[in-house]
Amino acid sequence: DAGVIQSPRHEVTEMGQEVTLRCKPISGHNSLFWYRQTMMRGLELLIYFNNNVPIDDSGMPEDRFSAKMPNASFSTLKIQPSEPRDSAVYFCASSSVTDTQYFGPGTRLTVL
Amino acid sequence: GESVGLHLPTLSVQEGDNSIINCAYSNSASDYFIWYKQESGKGPQFIIDIRSNMDKRQGQRVTVLLNKTVKHLSLQIAATQPGDSAVYFCAEKGSGNTPLVFGKGTRLSVIA
Repeated sequence: DAGVIQSPRHEVTEMGQEVTLRCKPISGHNSLFWYRQTMMRGLELLIYFNNNVPIDDSGMPEDRFSAKMPNASFSTLKIQPSEPRDSAVYFCASSSVTDTQYFGPGTRLTVL
Repeated sequence: GESVGLHLPTLSVQEGDNSIINCAYSNSASDYFIWYKQESGKGPQFIIDIRSNMDKRQGQRVTVLLNKTVKHLSLQIAATQPGDSAVYFCAEKGSGNTPLVFGKGTRLSVIA
C-alpha cells in the first residue's frame, strides 16, 4: 500500500525564492496535516484540513506561508518569499476517522 | 548549523533489556493516545494507540499503559533491539475534530 507521498524529498533554494511542497495523502483519508520539525522547536502543527477544508491554520508562522488542498488527493504548502529561518523538515500526515495519523517521509528544506 | 536545540530526555538501555518510556499528558479531556517512533531521516511511524476506555494495550513487543488518574502514558518495549534506537513521541487527542498534540519526544539509545 502506498503511504503518504511527499515531494520533493530535498529542496535547496536561495532566500527570496518561492518554494512549493507537495503531498498526496493516503487514499480514503479525509484529514490532512502539515507539520514542521526543527531542532529548536520540535514538531509543530502548521495547518490541517478536513474534507479539503482548512480547519485551523493558527500554526502557520506568517503570511509568507500558505497551504491549499484543491482535492482529496493533493495538497501544497507554499512559502513565498522563503527565508533561511524556514529551513526545516516539513511533514505531511493524513488520517481517517480512526484518528491515527500516518506521516510521509518529509521534505528537507534548506534556504540559503 | 544550530548548536542549541531541544533537550530531549535520553534513555539508554542494554540490548535485550526491557525499555519503558514515559509521557505526561496535559488535557484530562483527551480520549485518544498514540505512540510514534522516529528514526533519523524518516517521518514519525505509528507504533501503537490506546483509547481512554482502556488502561492497557499490547502489540508485538510493545505495550502501552494509560493512567488517567495521573495523566500518564507509558510505552514498554520488550527485549529491546538495536533497531529500536530512535526518538519516541507520545501524542494525545480530544474528541471531535481536533488534532493530535505531540510531546517533545524521548531518545532511546540501545547499547549492543
